[in-house]
Amino acid sequence: EAGVTQSPTHLIKTRGQQATLRCSPISGHTSVYWYQQALGLGLQFLLWYDEGEERNRGNFPPRFSGRQFPNYSSELNVNALELEDSALYLCASSRTSGQVGEQYFGPGTRLTVT
Amino acid sequence: DQQVKQNSPSLSVQEGRISILNCDYTNSMFDYFLWYKKYPAEGPTFLISISSIKDKNEDGRFTVFLNKSAKHLSLHIVPSQPGDSAVYFCAASVGGSNYKLTFGKGTLLTVNP
Repeated sequence: EAGVTQSPTHLIKTRGQQATLRCSPISGHTSVYWYQQALGLGLQFLLWYDEGEERNRGNFPPRFSGRQFPNYSSELNVNALELEDSALYLCASSRTSGQVGEQYFGPGTRLTVT
Repeated sequence: DQQVKQNSPSLSVQEGRISILNCDYTNSMFDYFLWYKKYPAEGPTFLISISSIKDKNEDGRFTVFLNKSAKHLSLHIVPSQPGDSAVYFCAASVGGSNYKLTFGKGTLLTVNP
């Protein structure tokens, strides 16, 4: 069974630009979650999508947005990039939605903003 | 406000001995707890979980203990192996529509041969 995949592996952008990160969940998983891991911090919850809808959102500004496609893959968009957006962005998926269950993580996208 | 705390940034143990990683939480609404292991350049990997209705869950060399009154959980690894060297994250969640994981900052475990 293929795991969660993310692309690109690394992304370098300039302050003020937009970044788009992509995630494909494990087959059969309908929920996708996005997390940010900035240097020195733990994983911070960003967004949760299930069945194409945004279900929950962490304490991040509106310039962090995303969507989930009919095939359950997801995209995270970060607009008006700031230097502090430099971080590892992790995507996770799970089989169940709204119920307790493990989340399976992808390898992450390392975003660097210069 | 950090709701899940791992107060030890690092832990070093000898191969074959027990590793004990600790985690404290402040939100009494948390009803499910998980431990993840993370190697460099990889995403976190689910290790073991425990529901708030239990106080212990065991899976091979890994055992998680939950003390709800103290809002404390711990992960025991016995015996520790060099391949266990990784960052361990404690995570907690509240079920239902607010389902999301709240992570601690992690503890770097080093198992010395």
